[in-house]
Amino acid sequence: DTGVSQNPRHKITKRGQNVTFRCDPISEHNRLYWYRQTLGQGPEFLTYFQNEAQLEKSRLLSDRFSAERPKGSFSTLEIQRTEQGDSAMYLCASITSGAADTQYFGPGTRLTVL
Amino acid sequence: QQQVKQSPQSLIVQKGGISIINCAYENTAFDYFPWYQQFPGKGPALLIAIRPDVSEKKEGRFTISFNKSAKQFSLHIMDSQPGDSATYFCAAYDFNKFYFGSGTKLNVKP
Repeated sequence: DTGVSQNPRHKITKRGQNVTFRCDPISEHNRLYWYRQTLGQGPEFLTYFQNEAQLEKSRLLSDRFSAERPKGSFSTLEIQRTEQGDSAMYLCASITSGAADTQYFGPGTRLTVL
Repeated sequence: QQQVKQSPQSLIVQKGGISIINCAYENTAFDYFPWYQQFPGKGPALLIAIRPDVSEKKEGRFTISFNKSAKQFSLHIMDSQPGDSATYFCAAYDFNKFYFGSGTKLNVKP
């Protein structure tokens, strides 16, 4: 399967714990996006990378959130000191830079903070 | 402020009917307007998309109508089937980022 993969698919954690999610994009896609989706809403932009460079971060992304994309391949999204309001689906998508019609989403990681 | 406004929030259509979902935007810099389909537990998947230089695009039972002057676009699903029951999102793209509508949950009754 050459699609976008995300791990884990589900994560349950207690408030205050740190969590890390991984996204493996389609190999030839140089741009990678992270989104957050809450129930009944569309995906909200969090951040994106072009190759290994993080080019933009949403104001939604507090300093508890950090994302990396070492070597321009897979990406990780870490949430420190999780809060109940962080409970959501975290989606990753990748595209070829400048080719918006190639955006493919992964299946997402469902985070539940107790 | 939401960049793309989508309506209705939910829609019930009988099998064989036409489903219509509408979206509106303000930013004239948007240059690509995709629609995504999402099933429970899955990520969104691109369904059909249009660029602002055309007024309509059709792919099978799915049609996008685009009104540049009104800054509105809509998705029409002809001959709706129970398998089309899903949540649909419109989106708009301005070179770097995608902005999504809030979604329409479609239920096609058999």
